[in-house]
Amino acid sequence: ETGVTQTPRHLVMGMTNKKSLKCEQHLGHNAMYWYKQSAKKPLELMFVYNFKEQTENNSVPSRFSPECPNSSHLFLHLHTLQPEDSALYLCASSQGGRGNTGELFFGEGSRLTVL
Amino acid sequence: EDKVVQSPLSLVVHEGDTVTLNCSYEVTNFRSLLWYKQEKKAPTFLFMLTSSGIEKKSGRLSSILDKKELFSILNITATQTGDSAIYLCAHNQAGTALIFGKGTTLSVSS
Repeated sequence: ETGVTQTPRHLVMGMTNKKSLKCEQHLGHNAMYWYKQSAKKPLELMFVYNFKEQTENNSVPSRFSPECPNSSHLFLHLHTLQPEDSALYLCASSQGGRGNTGELFFGEGSRLTVL
Repeated sequence: EDKVVQSPLSLVVHEGDTVTLNCSYEVTNFRSLLWYKQEKKAPTFLFMLTSSGIEKKSGRLSSILDKKELFSILNITATQTGDSAIYLCAHNQAGTALIFGKGTTLSVSS
């Protein structure tokens, strides 16, 4: 148990579907992240939120839409995805602002398959 | 262009062997270098290195950073099958989130 919970753990969707991934952290952190992990590629940073404000969008296609309603919750809304978007999506949290030591705490990930 | 390069990408050893995993990085506003272990899903934190030449140790695992040559190594002595995992190296630059390498997949056979 890492203190970061992701749901669903597995998701299969068609290219025309709309779905959402959810992440919740119980660590009192102020920064939350979405990373994408594909086979044979480094973990790719997608989005960063600090104190509920998006501070980084790493050139992610608009078919991925993040939402951070508060410091404990982070969503990734998915629509009209492509098969190449199939991957493990990892959520992470950390201390934000000046308390940030760089250490990230990861969730178990959501394994997404796009048919 | 990769900013964090890990080698080897995969490694197969026998139980009891000692392994050394390598990580080199580009430097821009360096803050720290981190190592993670990923067994099934969630990467778990191993070490954070900020100063050159100071070894961090946890059981059979140890790591050291060379800020002049821009690399770090992770050593695992007397490997066990439970050490089989992907080992991830990440560079923390000021003002950005962690930048990860591709990882080294270690397989330890009994």
